[in-house]
Parts: sequence; C-alpha cells; structure tokens
Amino acid sequence: AQTVTQSQPEMSVQEAETVTLSCTYDTSENNYYLFWYKQPPSRQMILVIRQEAYKQQNATENRFSVNFQKAAKSFSLKISDSQLGDTAMYFCAWGTSYGKLTFGQGTILTVHP
Amino acid sequence: DAGITQSPRHKVTETGTPVTLRCHQTENHRYMYWYRQDPGHGLRLIHYSYGVKDTDKGEVSDGYSVSRSKTEDFLLTLESATSSQTSVYFCALGSGTDHQYGYTFGSGTRLTVV
Repeated sequence: AQTVTQSQPEMSVQEAETVTLSCTYDTSENNYYLFWYKQPPSRQMILVIRQEAYKQQNATENRFSVNFQKAAKSFSLKISDSQLGDTAMYFCAWGTSYGKLTFGQGTILTVHP
Repeated sequence: DAGITQSPRHKVTETGTPVTLRCHQTENHRYMYWYRQDPGHGLRLIHYSYGVKDTDKGEVSDGYSVSRSKTEDFLLTLESATSSQTSVYFCALGSGTDHQYGYTFGSGTRLTVV
C-alpha cells in the first residue's frame, strides 16, 4: 500500500522568511502525481502546487516551489517570503491516473509577524 | 470553482442513531470520494464511487455505507453512529481528465457524536 509521511507536525516561520515542509512517500509505481494542499481555518482544501513524476523539473507557483527527488521518494514544499495568510495546515498527497489520493498526516504552519 | 456541495455543514447526533451526509455535484464527474479528517491521521478514504451504483471501500470503511443512485449525488451513511466517528468529513471529485489536478473538495461536514 502506498504511504505518505509528513514528519513535521508543526512548523513556524517569521513573516518574509522562507520555510520548507517535508514529505516522503512509498510506492512501487513509476508514473504518479504529487500534490500539496493548503487548509486554512475555513476548512477549505486548496491545491497549492502539483508535480508529475515523469517531469524532472521542479514545479513552481509564485512563492511556492517543490524539491522533487524521485529516487529518494521525497517531495518537499518551499514557501518563500512567507505571509500571514500562509498560516494553515498543509497536506502532501500522492495519486495515480484515475486513482485515489493518499494523504500525509499534515503539518500545521504558523507565520508570525 | 467546481460545483460540489456538502450538507449539512455541521451536525451533532447521538450515539446509536443513523446519520446520512450528502454530497452533490453539478460537474457530471464520474469519480467521487468520501474522506474523514482526524488529527494525526490526515485524510483517510472511507468509500469511493466510479459511476452510478459502482462503489468500493477505502481504508476506513467499517461502520459506513454509501449509495450513488444518480451521477450527481453520493451519500455517506453512518449506520449506527459512535463517538469514534466524530470527525470532519470531506467529499471530493477527481479533477482533470485523469485526476492530474488531484481533487476538488467540498467544504466539509463537522460531525459530532455525543
């Protein structure tokens, strides 16, 4: 069975600083997708960034970028220039084409002014 | 955003009573999912559907059943609610032609069993 592990239950960062959230996964599949979701206090699940496993280039979306290491099965999220609105729970997830998503345990990120 | 709504948004129920949560979509998506969210566990799959009357179990299906009689509606039933089923429940749709964009989520239902 596929597993996704987020080893940091909580993280904190000062506003305008950079923070990295860790995620590792276990799979025997070769083609898959990886995602980071943000869940603010409103409870809504928001897709932050996605990565296709066959692409070597790391995905970037504005202040958010990933470090995808396929051989190491690692998928970390870097948030640059952290803002107060980045305070949220962040979930890493793994899935295949038409497949179910497997989620990590989540990391609570707090951005301090 | 995608047309997916969950009802109710909040519910308090008593132990032993049946409870049904509803997920409604207007996107004509084939794949629909029910997850529960608990601290320290992230989101765990309860049941999913890949078409009308086609459903299957996820990793935490005990005590839950589902029905999908129409494409747009996916119902989750707790047959006899227990305190361990106190949780936040999310419905989701596959996003993109082959889920390459992950899921689109409903707004969640907070269920408290007392």
